[in-house]
Formats: sequence, structure tokens, C-alpha cells
Amino acid sequence: GQQVMQIPQYQHVQEGEDFTTYCNSSTTLSNIQWYKQRPGGHPVFLIQLVKSGEVKKQKRLTFQFGEAKKNSSLHITATQTTDVGTYFCAGHGNTDKLIFGTGTRLQVFP
Amino acid sequence: GAVVSQHPSWVICKSGTSVKIECRSLDFQATTMFWYRQFPKQSLMLMATSNEGSKATYEQGVEKDKFLINHASLTLSTLTVTSAHPEDSSFYICSARDISSGSWNEQFFGPGTRLTVL
Repeated sequence: GQQVMQIPQYQHVQEGEDFTTYCNSSTTLSNIQWYKQRPGGHPVFLIQLVKSGEVKKQKRLTFQFGEAKKNSSLHITATQTTDVGTYFCAGHGNTDKLIFGTGTRLQVFP
Repeated sequence: GAVVSQHPSWVICKSGTSVKIECRSLDFQATTMFWYRQFPKQSLMLMATSNEGSKATYEQGVEKDKFLINHASLTLSTLTVTSAHPEDSSFYICSARDISSGSWNEQFFGPGTRLTVL
């Protein structure tokens, strides 16, 4: 079945450093979504990318969808302690099932 | 808009009892709702797709007789964990798709229900 992997699994950074998580799907995706889950909380929708090669920015966050629509990345510039949490990518194949990636847990040290 | 609620937000029960979790779309109608399970420090795993007025579709490995899903209206789906055991302790999250949305990609997530089985 469809699998969506993320690397790294964990990342510890010093506040102010940049952070990137990569998402790779075993099959072509019709879209990619990104979620953030704070410790003890539920996933919160960040953004959706649909077009091949699409790049979107939200303040310090940059999201990219690969040309082949099988991979994606989330880059955070100058991390802050408020960025702490687990970042999940999730995508649809050719069905309405949303398959979540394995997640990257980000820890930011002040 | 597009708010999904879950009730209860957390529940503790004894082994062998059944627990019902409700998922409601508050300001939109949802023909399809999805149930996910998340174990500590793991990702969300899709358990089943709940369709209004018809039987739910379960993912491979999910016991349909143990996790009963009922989607009786366009705003409510329920998940009942029957004869719960400690290994069923998990975070259960639902999502709903807006019937009026032109994009079937768009889903709205509930805040989750944390189940602890003693």
C-alpha cells in the first residue's frame, strides 16, 4: 500500500537555526498537506500544495512540492521555541484517503 | 467555519467495557468522515472511512466488530470501542469532509479523544 516516509525522525536545533523536514511518498500524490502537532495536542492544518513544483511561504515556513509529486519539504528559517512540535506531511493518492507521513519531531533549545 | 468537535475529549474506562466517541461537524454537512488512531510518538493511522447512511470501510488490520462505526446523519459519526483492552489505549481523531466543498481533498480535523483503558 501507499507509504509516506519523513526524515529525519527527530531534530534538535538551537533557537535561531534553520530546520528542514523531508517527505517522500511511494506513489504519486494528487496533493500534499502539512500539519503541526504540539505535544499533547491534535494535528493542526498548515497548508496544502497541489501543483507540481509548487512553493508556498508562510512567514518563516517554506513548503515545496516536488516536480514528480512524490516528495515535499518544509523548511523553517530561524527557528523559535514556539516551533516545537511534530510536523506531519499527508497526501492523497487517487482516493479520498489522506495518508499521513511518519512525522518529524522538532525540539528547539533556547 | 468548518469546525469539527469530538466528545469526550478524554475518557478512562475499565478493561472489558465499551466506549463511544462522537464526532460532529458543527457548521457544515459531511457525507464522509474518517477515523484515525495515534499511538504515543507515532503518526496518525487511518482506521476507517465512515459514510453517511452506509457501512463504514475499514482499513486492513482494523477489526470492524471491535470498532463499530455509525454515521447516522450528515453531522454525526460515532466510533464505539467494544470490549476495550489496555492495548486500545490511544488518541482517536476524526476528520470530516464538507459536502459542499468542490475539493474532495479538504478535510477538517477534530481535537481528538484520548482513551485510557485500565
